[in-house]
Amino acid sequence: NAGVTQTPKFQVLKTGQSMTLQCAQDMNHNSMYWYRQDPGMGLRLIYYSASEGTTDKGEVPNGYNVSRLNKREFSLRLESAAPSQTSVYFCASSEIWGSGGGTEAFFGQGTRLTVV
Amino acid sequence: LAKTTQPISMDSYEGQEVNITCSHNNIATNDYITWYQQFPSQGPRFIIQGYKTKVTNEVASLFIPADRKSSTLSLPRVSLSDTAVYYCLVGLSMIKAAGNKLTFGGGTRVLVKP
Repeated sequence: NAGVTQTPKFQVLKTGQSMTLQCAQDMNHNSMYWYRQDPGMGLRLIYYSASEGTTDKGEVPNGYNVSRLNKREFSLRLESAAPSQTSVYFCASSEIWGSGGGTEAFFGQGTRLTVV
Repeated sequence: LAKTTQPISMDSYEGQEVNITCSHNNIATNDYITWYQQFPSQGPRFIIQGYKTKVTNEVASLFIPADRKSSTLSLPRVSLSDTAVYYCLVGLSMIKAAGNKLTFGGGTRVLVKP
């Protein structure tokens, strides 16, 4: 059981290049998320998808687009990369658990992106 | 979503108990309190979750007073491997249709010394 898998693990881009970060989960979760984490900082939510077919902006959506391809996969696209997007990107998934509600989220190992 | 406030950093020594308090004055009736742990170069990992009173698992205990405006994560007898950043989250909806938007604050950086 792999949990949440992100690809690639590392990437270097030149300013203006585009790329797509891939994320897949095998836990049949409805909700998926993309975060970025800058050095020494907490996680900031970029986009999320509450369920298949829906996506919504988080705290820092500018410069990014997402696609919820199916229930398993949620991709993050940088159309024109900028040095300010140098960060570690984490994908996560979650589902309601237990009879009382509440949510446990599972995170991938991250993608380290450097834009030069 | 309820805003949370927690200390930026804490130092401790091996074998001691570490208590991290998180303030969440505007917590909503249906909100749960959840703590995550993050090691360097890894994604956050769920530690514990609670709604009221006390919750204990094999890793930690979570104390929540009756007014639920704060909570305390307790790590018993820490070791060097407990050095990590600990995040307090509040505002996870019980309603499935609303989605479960998870928003992290800055966390508390815990350093365990030998």
